[in-house]
Amino acid sequence: NAGVTQTPKFQVLKTGQSMTLQCAQDMNHEYMSWYRQDPGMGLRLIHYSVGAGITDQGEVPNGYNVSRSTTEDFPLRLLSAAPSQTSVYFCASSYSSVGAGELFFGEGSRLTVL
Amino acid sequence: DAKTTQPTSMDCAEGRAANLPCNHSTISGNEYVYWYRQIHSQGPQYIIHGLKNNETNEMASLIITEDRKSSTLILPHATLRDTAVYYCIAARFAGGTSYGKLTFGQGTILTVHP
Repeated sequence: NAGVTQTPKFQVLKTGQSMTLQCAQDMNHEYMSWYRQDPGMGLRLIHYSVGAGITDQGEVPNGYNVSRSTTEDFPLRLLSAAPSQTSVYFCASSYSSVGAGELFFGEGSRLTVL
Repeated sequence: DAKTTQPTSMDCAEGRAANLPCNHSTISGNEYVYWYRQIHSQGPQYIIHGLKNNETNEMASLIITEDRKSSTLILPHATLRDTAVYYCIAARFAGGTSYGKLTFGQGTILTVHP
């Protein structure tokens, strides 16, 4: 098992560019989510999915789109990158609907928007 | 979800027990207490969780007071590799299409020194 795999690990964008952060899990987990982490802010939930075809917004969804066409993949799209989206992004997955359950996190994708 | 309060930082000598406190005085009856840690900007790692009984696993023990207003995470024999930010989170059971959203605060920076 690879667990939760995020690509790319590092990315530099210019303002206005678009890109997709990829997240894949091989644990057949039903639940997947994206968080961003900024200095002094902790982790904040961007979007989450409770299964293929079902997504919903988290705490800070503006500027991001997601889709969940398969159980394994949950990509995060930035349509027009802004410097405020400079952050470390973590994807997580879980099999449990009991509270937060045991979330498995990826290693993170570090994005810089110039 | 109930707010949690943790000390900003703590020190511990290698080989000694590390006791990390957490206050959650407004926790409701169906909220679990979860602990995660994050080692040097890696993805957060689940440690343990509990509702009202004390819990133990291979990583740590969780002691929850009888009134559930506070808890303590115990690392019985801390090593240098346990140096990390530790997060205490209160989260509800979420069934069906709901997803237990984790709210990460600032956590406690635990430094284990030789």
